[in-house]
Amino acid sequence: KNEVEQSPQNLTAQEGEFITINCSYSVGISALHWLQQHPGGGIVSLFMLSSGKKKHGRLIATINIQEKHSSLHITASHPRDSAVYICAAVSNFGNEKLTFGTGTRLTIIP
Amino acid sequence: DTGVSQDPRHKITKRGQNVTFRCDPISEHNRLYWYRQTLGQGPEFLTYFQNEAQLEKSRLLSDRFSAERPKGSFSTLEIQRTEQGDSAMYLCASSLDGLEYSPLHFGNGTRLTVT
Repeated sequence: KNEVEQSPQNLTAQEGEFITINCSYSVGISALHWLQQHPGGGIVSLFMLSSGKKKHGRLIATINIQEKHSSLHITASHPRDSAVYICAAVSNFGNEKLTFGTGTRLTIIP
Repeated sequence: DTGVSQDPRHKITKRGQNVTFRCDPISEHNRLYWYRQTLGQGPEFLTYFQNEAQLEKSRLLSDRFSAERPKGSFSTLEIQRTEQGDSAMYLCASSLDGLEYSPLHFGNGTRLTVT
């Protein structure tokens, strides 16, 4: 069992749909990153959060430390949102080690 | 600010050869990370530097792998006696310690193919 698990692995939706990607972790963390990886490999950091909720444009990230769970939501999805979304947990042992989920491949159909 | 740059973008080598990759982080960033990503998988942590100090090294990093960050700026990752299983995308990222929100900035990676 991976220390960081994401679901679903693949998600296809119609343009405009509300998207939720889930991340569960079993390790102790100090924070969690949500990353976006486009074809060709470029990775962009979307959020880093340690509690509560953060919003940036159409993207919303939430985390529940007690339940060891985080979600990434995309409102009014658009084909340009198509990418792989990866959550990465930051170790709380002071070594800043990141443990990555395997990613969720999102495809938004026009 | 030109972002994190990695060199080369692609490297094809024969099994048994040594390879070295370079990462230039964003200039003021004191944290630098190396990851490895194989097809269809999320990145795997390899090692992490705070300035020039290598603070953490994954068990994935066998004794054939060595990383340095001699002056706390650029870093190199060397793989000796490459094996076909080393074929992967090697990613570098940097961040700045001390900020409440310290986003990771990734390079475009070096794709290694061992034949």
